[in-house]
Amino acid sequence: GAGVSQTPSNKVTEKGKYVELRCDPISGHTALYWYRQSLGQGPEFLIYFQGTGAADDSGLPNDRFFAVRPEGSVSTLKIQRTERGDSAVYLCASSLGTGASEAFFGQGTRLTVV
Amino acid sequence: QQQVKQSPQSLIVQKGGISIINCAYENTAFDYFPWYQQFPGKGPALLIAIRPDVSEKKEGRFTISFNKSAKQFSLHIMDSQPGDSATYFCAATGSARQLTFGSGTQLTVLP
Repeated sequence: GAGVSQTPSNKVTEKGKYVELRCDPISGHTALYWYRQSLGQGPEFLIYFQGTGAADDSGLPNDRFFAVRPEGSVSTLKIQRTERGDSAVYLCASSLGTGASEAFFGQGTRLTVV
Repeated sequence: QQQVKQSPQSLIVQKGGISIINCAYENTAFDYFPWYQQFPGKGPALLIAIRPDVSEKKEGRFTISFNKSAKQFSLHIMDSQPGDSATYFCAATGSARQLTFGSGTQLTVLP
């Protein structure tokens, strides 16, 4: 596609449930990033993939969060046993991955845990 | 520890005026400083970026000024328009690749 695509746009889930958020990066972009943005704040880094491997997962808040990118393209962010504090907009970005090149963001998935 | 500090939190400017947003960073390993524009319900969009080997970069009405010794950089929006009303984020990155964002500035340009 022309840009980074994230699905679903909105997700409402009950506390304790499992959710998966999907990201389709720009074709040819080897680097993929997940960020979390709380209301009124800047995005905060979660995890960075270079190809299929997680090059840096230092931003994942705890072991309830996990992300995969099995074929080096689409990525899924998985959250187990969701908590109300997980409510935020989850943003995905991709870049060519050659140095600090520009990252293109998707529109985000708004997750609400009730 | 917040590594990129952004101010002001909100800014109101008259149409045609100059909007100025400031950021300061702590990590001297940062070597790429982008600014992002975000509209409600949308993801951040790259506006303009600078590397520390230059002190200024201009693209249309948008200018970044960079002061390496002070570890500060700023965004200037000339001839501000109501369509510029959005939230602006400064960011920084280095070899770690991840972006570290400021807390954002909500800009309102009055018609």
